[in-house]
Amino acid sequence: SAVISQKPSRDICQRGTSLTIQCQVDSQVTMMFWYRQQPGQSLTLIATANQGSEATYESGFVIDKFPISRPNLTFSTLTVSNMSPEDSSIYLCSVRRSGGYEQYFGPGTRLTVT
Amino acid sequence: DQQVKQNSPSLSVQEGRISILNCDYTNSMFDYFLWYKKYPAEGPTFLISISSIKDKNEDGRFTVFLNKSAKHLSLHIVPSQPGDSAVYFCAASDSSGAGSYQLTFGKGTKLSVIP
Repeated sequence: SAVISQKPSRDICQRGTSLTIQCQVDSQVTMMFWYRQQPGQSLTLIATANQGSEATYESGFVIDKFPISRPNLTFSTLTVSNMSPEDSSIYLCSVRRSGGYEQYFGPGTRLTVT
Repeated sequence: DQQVKQNSPSLSVQEGRISILNCDYTNSMFDYFLWYKKYPAEGPTFLISISSIKDKNEDGRFTVFLNKSAKHLSLHIVPSQPGDSAVYFCAASDSSGAGSYQLTFGKGTKLSVIP
């Protein structure tokens, strides 16, 4: 497994502002992911954070709205830009080690946009 | 289009009895399946998985069964304990293609184990 931390754990933000969420892993990993879990919904993959290159975004998610950085193999950030109440969700980062399908998740960031 | 479905939003079970959580999928390309457990204010925790070449995988109190013809899997917890009370997510992966690392999740089933 892996020990993953996220900052902040929760935040309340005003419409139109941006929030950057940090994800730190205790060891080097190749693959890092960002998910969103809206109330009552399943986990939805936003993007794969690639080290040294641009993130790979899933359908419905764009870089201008969710810019991602991956400066090294243990750290990534997700920014939620120009927020609206519809962005209120739990945002989770996860990692996958090579050789397995399992992903290990951070504790999540609970975002409320007012 | 929801490719992984957990049709029971909630389940209540008496302590000591068996808990059975169900999951159905529609994508026949899925060949690896996982179960995650999530407590409030925590991230999902990996529980158990199964490859499509098997029909059963057991780990302690947890057993996952896979019925490929029915595109159905289930998680059995025996005996159920109050600490098992959590939301359980089913997830699936297609090992072919460029997105072979991706997991597709169901909406989850909230299990309550009553002492």
